[in-house]
Amino acid sequence: EAGVTQSPTHLIKTRGQQATLRCSPISGHTSVYWYQQALGLGLQFLLWYDEGEERNRGNFPPRFSGRQFPNYSSELNVNALELEDSALYLCATMTGSATEAFFGQGTRLTVV
Amino acid sequence: KQEVTQIPAALSVPEGENLVLNCSFTDSAIYNLQWFRQDPGKGLTSLLLIQSSQREQTSGRLNASLDKSSGRSTLYIAASQPGDSATYLCAVDSSYKLIFGSGTRLLVRP
Repeated sequence: EAGVTQSPTHLIKTRGQQATLRCSPISGHTSVYWYQQALGLGLQFLLWYDEGEERNRGNFPPRFSGRQFPNYSSELNVNALELEDSALYLCATMTGSATEAFFGQGTRLTVV
Repeated sequence: KQEVTQIPAALSVPEGENLVLNCSFTDSAIYNLQWFRQDPGKGLTSLLLIQSSQREQTSGRLNASLDKSSGRSTLYIAASQPGDSATYLCAVDSSYKLIFGSGTRLLVRP
């Protein structure tokens, strides 16, 4: 069975541009969480989607947004990129809230 | 506000040693606690999930315990191997998100 897949693996953008990151969940998983892991920092919660709806949001500015599609895959969009947005972005999927989380390998976003 | 702390921040041991990693959290109102492993620049691999009603979970050489009332969990690794070298993270499921500790960086020397 395929695990959580994220694409692209690496992404290089210029300051001010927009980035789109994608996450495909394990079959049967309906919840998708997004996390940011900046160099030397811990995992910071970004967004939670479940059944197509945004359920919870972390302490990030509105230029971080996303959506969940009918097949439960998800997209994270970061607008007006800033240098400090450079980080490893991880998504995790679950069958529902309070169940085991499985993570993808991440997208390394570099803003130059 | 839930806060998760992991001690020690780093640990270096010779191969074969048994070791304990610690995780503490400030709010006992959690759904579960999960231990993960992260290799450099990679995603997280789930090791063990302990539901709030459970006291411990075991998988191979790994054993995790949970004392919700005192806000503590420990991850016990038996007979450590160089391949166990990684960062170990604990996370509590609280307030509709996983809240992570900063991790313990483990090095097992051959």
